[in-house]
Amino acid sequence: QQPVQSPQAVILREGEDAVINCSSSKALYSVHWYRQKHGEAPVFLMILLKGGEQKGHEKISASFNEKKQQSSLYLTASQLSYSGTYFCGTDRTGSQGNLIFGKGTKLSVKP
Amino acid sequence: DAGVIQSPRHEVTEMGQEVTLRCKPISGHDYLFWYRQTMMRGLELLIYFNNNVPIDDSGMPEDRFSAKMPNASFSTLKIQPSEPRDSAVYFCASSLTSDGTDTQYFGPGTRLTVL
Repeated sequence: QQPVQSPQAVILREGEDAVINCSSSKALYSVHWYRQKHGEAPVFLMILLKGGEQKGHEKISASFNEKKQQSSLYLTASQLSYSGTYFCGTDRTGSQGNLIFGKGTKLSVKP
Repeated sequence: DAGVIQSPRHEVTEMGQEVTLRCKPISGHDYLFWYRQTMMRGLELLIYFNNNVPIDDSGMPEDRFSAKMPNASFSTLKIQPSEPRDSAVYFCASSLTSDGTDTQYFGPGTRLTVL
């Protein structure tokens, strides 16, 4: 039931764009995105809810395709500070206690 | 405001020893979560509490693991006896509600190494 993230890793130059995908084999209630910098705690970025509502980061956009059971995180005009590992957490029931995280996508932004 | 506080930040111990990890959630948050993070398995939920009561401990790997929350501002995760395969980063997180639209705030983690 763990969601599958792709790609596993990506290297960008500053200013380039990236898309990170998160797919589930089950119908979802919501998708949560977190970013973790090396040696630090995961930090909340965004929640996407069934029905189209979004809550979170102003400079990062994401989509949630309920039919395909997948979400994509769009990082545009990447900055050095975007480097880190991005995790999606999928929730099937509307409860925090059922959040299951993917293995993460490591993003490295180079000058 | 202080975030989630965890101690110790690093723990190195020998196989067979007891290990106790500590967590102080954000004040006013009713939900507390314990996660374990490894390269192989990623971030896994071990157990979570609501108002100090354990709600779901199905993620606790074995009877060697136990967790308590004696009051709203303190929780412990204990491993007894510890084994090398327990080596991981253990995170504590808290949230205001259990609603799927709410945010979890993670602590800095405890990096556990069992030799």
